[in-house]
Amino acid sequence: DQQVKQNSPSLSVQEGRISILNCDYTNSMFDYFLWYKKYPAEGPTFLISISSIKDKNEDGRFTVFLNKSAKHLSLHIVPSQPGDSAVYFCAASDPQGQGNLIFGKGTKLSVKP
Amino acid sequence: NAGVTQTPKFRVLKTGQSMTLLCAQDMNHEYMYWYRQDPGMGLRLIHYSVGEGTTAKGEVPDGYNVSRLKKQNFLLGLESAAPSQTSVYFCATSRNRDTEAFFGQGTRLTVV
Repeated sequence: DQQVKQNSPSLSVQEGRISILNCDYTNSMFDYFLWYKKYPAEGPTFLISISSIKDKNEDGRFTVFLNKSAKHLSLHIVPSQPGDSAVYFCAASDPQGQGNLIFGKGTKLSVKP
Repeated sequence: NAGVTQTPKFRVLKTGQSMTLLCAQDMNHEYMYWYRQDPGMGLRLIHYSVGEGTTAKGEVPDGYNVSRLKKQNFLLGLESAAPSQTSVYFCATSRNRDTEAFFGQGTRLTVV
């Protein structure tokens, strides 16, 4: 059973508008979450992370929100740019592991000019 | 400063052949990981290492072996390739268990 779920396989947004990518998780022991961006034929690139002691983390145009009671996090991109078009993966650090990550299936974001 | 480098980038194998994928990092990180990504799936952990000379199994270890003889290198071996091992393989490193991982560019492997 999937522990990290990204229920929207794709999202299309107009340039300049906000992109909101969602992620749900099932394991209440998860305490560190990350978002990765992936272009075709490249490896995932780290974008932003959040610890469970926070409910928000911001880095430039990217903000991640964490709602622990709902086991939900979201990535906001404002304003969206065509270069943001990529697959975005939500991941959680395995609390029983050694930094290994449990990934969602990804959401493909398309930002239209 | 190359970061994380995977060799080769592409490979086609026949069923039953063996091969080794090499991951090299110049970031001086202790932790290294091998993941595979299949179409429509997230990345899944195959094996990982928390330091030179150590290895451990991940979520999908069957059919693979690994070695970490040097801190900077993490090798993934397929002893007898099967079509189910057709995938894109990613190596990653991290400084410790509570920091982000850095990924290589991937190896696209096809087993026919």
